Formats: sequence, C-alpha cells, structure tokens
Amino acid sequence: QVQLVQSGPELKRPGASVKVSCKASGYSFIDYHVTWVRQAPGQGLQWVGWVRPYNGDTNSAHNLQGRVTLTTDTSASTAYLELKSLRADDTAVYFCAREHALSHFDSWGQGTLITVSS
Amino acid sequence: SYELTQPPSVSVSPGQTASITCSGDKLENKYVCWYQQRTGQSPLLVIFHDNKRPSGIPERFSGSNSGNTATLTISGTQAMDEADYYCQSWDGSTVVFGGGTKLTVL
Repeated sequence: QVQLVQSGPELKRPGASVKVSCKASGYSFIDYHVTWVRQAPGQGLQWVGWVRPYNGDTNSAHNLQGRVTLTTDTSASTAYLELKSLRADDTAVYFCAREHALSHFDSWGQGTLITVSS
Repeated sequence: SYELTQPPSVSVSPGQTASITCSGDKLENKYVCWYQQRTGQSPLLVIFHDNKRPSGIPERFSGSNSGNTATLTISGTQAMDEADYYCQSWDGSTVVFGGGTKLTVL
C-alpha cells in the first residue's frame, strides 16, 4: 500500500535551518508530485509547496519563497523540504502528501514537528 | 490571492445531516476536495473532484459545488465523524485551503 514516512521531530534555534525527509513506498515515485503542508499549533492547514520528482520543478507559497527548498532523490524515492532562517512562527507540524497533479492529496505522511525556540 | 471561506464550527446531533460550506469566487469553475482531520492525526481525503469518494470512505460523505459554494454533506452523522474539515482547491499552480470547520457531534 502507499506509504509516506517522514523523519523525526526537530528542535532548532532561530536563524538555523532544518531538512525534513519523506520516504515514499508502494507506488512509482516519479509518477506523482509531492506536496508539503504545515500546521501551526491549533491552526489550520497551510500549503508550503510542491515538487515534481520526474523533472525537479517546484512551486512554493509566496510567503516562504527564498527560504524554502524542495528537492527529491528519485533513487531513494524520497522528497526533502529544507527551510532556512527559521523563525518562531515556523513552529509547526510539517506534512508531505502524494499529489495527483493539480488536484487532490490522497496519501499523507505522519507529520514532523519542527519547533523553533531559543 | 484566491481565498476559501469556511464557517469555524458546525454542530450536529448523532444520526442527523451535517453540512459544511466552502465559499470562493466562481468556485464552481474549480475542482474542490475535502479533508477530515481528527485530533492528532494526519488529514484524510474524503471527497475529491467536487463529489467523488476515495475507496474506503463511507457513502454518508458526499459533496457538491455550485456557484460560489461547495458543500460537504455527512448523512447519518456518527460520533466518529467529529473532526476538523478542510476544503481545498487550486489557484493556478498554487494550493488553497479553507480555514477549516470544527464539526461537533452532540
């Protein structure tokens, strides 16, 4: 079955960087986009960006552009989210999801809690 | 930027029908999907392409989209349906989520 397994929680200082991984299994990794979504404590879902594994194309939310990098390693069926210059308001659970191109997200990772605190 | 608006909360009695709305400009021209998120869990797709149910989603979940409003309807609501529900669509190549609706079954 389709599974997305994410890396573990991280505690980071303001100004640092973090890289979250999302390992896919149970389907052809290059045939679907990967989308990243975050959820701050007690808040709703916020789209972070998507990446196309077959060609590396990306798009990200306007308010994160310049700080977020989305990549994939197709040989390892793994997607990565890197967020730089971390701020306290980046504290959130970050989810990866399998995306049917420009449509819906039918499988989700378990989420990775990123805490930014001094 | 495109926005989707949901009511913050909806309450329903067990066995009754719950309706959760999602409003956006000319929303009928876009596909809408819906996600259920129980406390502490990842979101779960319950409706895609306005009204299609993924395999494994009970028939009591249905969706519609007309004019400026999409609606998620849960018929014969059960206690296990208590959760947050999010609508989602696209603005070009950008994903848009509604603010979420907390469904309380009481």
